[in-house]
Amino acid sequence: QKEVEQNSGPLSVPEGAIASLNCTYSDRGSQSFFWYRQYSGKSPELIMSIYSNGDKEDGRFTAQLNKASQYVSLLIRDSQPSDSATYLCAGNQAGTALIFGKGTTLSVSS
Amino acid sequence: GAVVSQHPSRVICKSGTSVKIECRSLDFQATTMFWYRQFPKKSLMLMATSNEGSKATYEQGVEKDKFLINHASLTLSTLTVTSAHPEDSSFYICSAPWGAGNTIYFGEGSWLTVV
Repeated sequence: QKEVEQNSGPLSVPEGAIASLNCTYSDRGSQSFFWYRQYSGKSPELIMSIYSNGDKEDGRFTAQLNKASQYVSLLIRDSQPSDSATYLCAGNQAGTALIFGKGTTLSVSS
Repeated sequence: GAVVSQHPSRVICKSGTSVKIECRSLDFQATTMFWYRQFPKKSLMLMATSNEGSKATYEQGVEKDKFLINHASLTLSTLTVTSAHPEDSSFYICSAPWGAGNTIYFGEGSWLTVV
């Protein structure tokens, strides 16, 4: 059974702080990993993709991948109230459907 | 901008009727699309993989006679919920791979309410 595990939270951080979201996966064949943000009642929105070990930065977001440990993380710097949402970690092998974690709810207080 | 478009965004239907949801890839060809459903406060559950020109591949436990998927062209996949019941009320979302790394993008989702 291919699984992606996330802490459901809620994770609460004050505005301006760093939010750290973590994810582990079981399928060693997974090659691509994604972080999606989902607001209540809306469809998931792609935040970051990462394919190789190491860090990938995009604005306030940094994704980290460690294939040996089967671990993916997302750091959000200078967290804003608008970042409050559910963050979904997902992975797949090329061309296949994404396997999603259950999501981590992030709450950023002003 | 959006790369996958879904319609309708909300639909209410009576029990026993059928409802069709469309998923379109915008400005690219999608030989494969994925259909998910999501219950409130739950994660996305993969229902089926839609394959252009061939039968869809359904996940275990998903009734293929109830959730009819047709992928008749390279830019359109449809999901028809047949003989809908209140327990079919859910958020249905389609997705398609596009671009570098076959990143998967989602449509806007369709809220189905069966009364």
